[in-house]
Amino acid sequence: GAVVSQHPSWVICKSGTSVKIECRSLDFQATTMFWYRQFPKQSLMLMATSNEGSKATYEQGVEKDKFLINHASLTLSTLTVTSAHPEDSSFYICSAILAGGPGELFFGEGSRLTVL
Amino acid sequence: AQSVTQLDSQVPVFEEAPVELRCNYSSSVSVYLFWYVQYPNQGLQLLLKYLSGSTLVKGINGFEAEFNKSQTSFHLRKPSVHISDTAEYFCAVTPPYGGSQGNLIFGKGTKLSVKP
Repeated sequence: GAVVSQHPSWVICKSGTSVKIECRSLDFQATTMFWYRQFPKQSLMLMATSNEGSKATYEQGVEKDKFLINHASLTLSTLTVTSAHPEDSSFYICSAILAGGPGELFFGEGSRLTVL
Repeated sequence: AQSVTQLDSQVPVFEEAPVELRCNYSSSVSVYLFWYVQYPNQGLQLLLKYLSGSTLVKGINGFEAEFNKSQTSFHLRKPSVHISDTAEYFCAVTPPYGGSQGNLIFGKGTKLSVKP
């Protein structure tokens, strides 16, 4: 099956710094990728839809200036958490859609961000 | 708008026993239905999906689910569980048309704990 890889899998940073998380589709091209956030013992919440070559579409309540998304190529989308604060600590997961039909989603392994 | 309710937040079960994880949805339109499994500190893996056709859907790892339109349910079942099935299970829906398929609406998850 299609593989989506995230890097880093975990990161610890100081408050006020910025952190970049990469999401790569390893064996297929993904014109659309999605970023989710998952708090402990809770479900995934869609943050934004990342489209190759265009601006990301953010869900209501998600600060676009806080969570910068760039989809520079058909295999890479990045999420940058700017000026991170402890409340940004969370598990961030990306997914990519395999083209054709309804399009099955393939998820990355997730990236755990801890802001001190 | 769609919503998903997973009635049980935790389901403990003994190894080799049968299990059913319940999922109900509400929607004014037809939907696609999915079950995903999440192992600790990992992303989501698709177990099975219902798009159309036969209401009994078979997935990976011996799981199956039955779509019941009248009861708006999509319960997940396995006749005999293994220790390795211990994980968090998410039910999700998406409309078959309009909007991005990344806009899955997830339930809150059910933690399945299989005990020896």
